[in-house]
Amino acid sequence: GAGVSQSPSNKVTEKGKDVELRCDPISGHTALYWYRQRLGQGLEFLIYFQGNSAPDKSGLPSDRFSAERTGESVSTLTIQRTQQEDSAVYLCASSKNGYGTSGSYEQFFGPGTRLTVL
Amino acid sequence: RKEVEQDPGPFNVPEGATVAFNCTYSNSASQSFFWYRQDCRKEPKLLMSVYSSGNEDGRFTAQLNRASQYISLLIRDSKLSDSATYLCVVRDSNYQLIWGAGTKLIIKP
Repeated sequence: GAGVSQSPSNKVTEKGKDVELRCDPISGHTALYWYRQRLGQGLEFLIYFQGNSAPDKSGLPSDRFSAERTGESVSTLTIQRTQQEDSAVYLCASSKNGYGTSGSYEQFFGPGTRLTVL
Repeated sequence: RKEVEQDPGPFNVPEGATVAFNCTYSNSASQSFFWYRQDCRKEPKLLMSVYSSGNEDGRFTAQLNRASQYISLLIRDSKLSDSATYLCVVRDSNYQLIWGAGTKLIIKP
């Protein structure tokens, strides 16, 4: 079956512009995660969606970052007024189950969106 | 102190050798532990879960030491294809997943 997909795969933008990144999770996966990974660094948690519950936004670095997800489908991560420090790979992952639930919460990752802010 | 710490490496190991690396975690209430593998410029993929009793999958063995708060990954008879970054992941008492920065492994012929 189809895995997690993300678009665009690469995005180059100018400082101050807004960007929107898209994630299509695996069908039937209730949990969706966004991470940021700077070059040579580990994964930095951004936001987590679980079904129709309120998202865990504790990892969003500033109010320039926001994300939405409708039900258990597509999610978009929006970065407003981009800064050079936002340059990174943005990874989306989904899992069949989420926090505090039994069952598998193995995360399956998309290929990421490489964002470059000039 | 970081919640999850790993030696960044790189570990340069000849093909066929055995290599092991650890990951330490700070929250003693952490509940679950995992090793993910990330190839260069690729997304992470689950390698194995780490159970209290330890577990083995082919050439890979994972161990948990709760008393000293670390998990380990042992790779026997290393292959060139094992070259990757190995990420340690810890699920804390709030069920959040905390990721280590990874240990880079390079297997040389």
